[in-house]
Amino acid sequence: ETGVTQTPRHLVMGMTNKKSLKCEQHLGHNAMYWYKQSAKKPLELMFVYSLEERVENNSVPSRFSPECPNSSHLFLHLHTLQPEDSALYLCASSQTGSNSPLHFGNGTRLTVT
Amino acid sequence: GDSVTQMEGPVTLSEEAFLTINCTYTATGYPSLFWYVQYPGEGLQLLLKATKADDKGSNKGFEATYRKETTSFHLEKGSVQVSDSAVYFCALIRRGGNEKLTFGTGTRLTIIP
Repeated sequence: ETGVTQTPRHLVMGMTNKKSLKCEQHLGHNAMYWYKQSAKKPLELMFVYSLEERVENNSVPSRFSPECPNSSHLFLHLHTLQPEDSALYLCASSQTGSNSPLHFGNGTRLTVT
Repeated sequence: GDSVTQMEGPVTLSEEAFLTINCTYTATGYPSLFWYVQYPGEGLQLLLKATKADDKGSNKGFEATYRKETTSFHLEKGSVQVSDSAVYFCALIRRGGNEKLTFGTGTRLTIIP
């Protein structure tokens, strides 16, 4: 039990599908993050939510749409993805203002066909 | 901007060998430094951390010392095991910064029996 739970663990979707990734943290943290991990590339920070407000959006294409309804839940809505979007999507949480480390979920392995 | 440079892998060692994975950083101010580990099929887990110069982080036989004079945070283990096979990431958070972790590109470690 990592304290950060991501579902589903694996997802295969076509380019015309709409799907959502879910993340839930049980650590009482006030910030949540989406990262993309592609083969042979550095971890890419996609979005940051602090106190349920989006504070970071690193030039991510609009086909990725985050949602943070409360401090414990984070979603990533996906639509009309491209094959190059296939990757491991990692959710993380932290307590801001303390330089505390991020706690990661096990990720969702996404394959776009 | 902040950056983390770690040795490129992959690194392959025999069981019980001595391990060093080099990590150097560039950051304004006084960052906190971390090593994360990612086992196959899982997310990133915090392995150890150090928050100020000369601090030594340690966990599971791994150690790293925060060296401000050389801006380094090298990961070491005296005797590796097959179960240490994973990808290791060096990372920093700059104090007073925007709470974003800056990651290195990761070093894949394989231990052979």
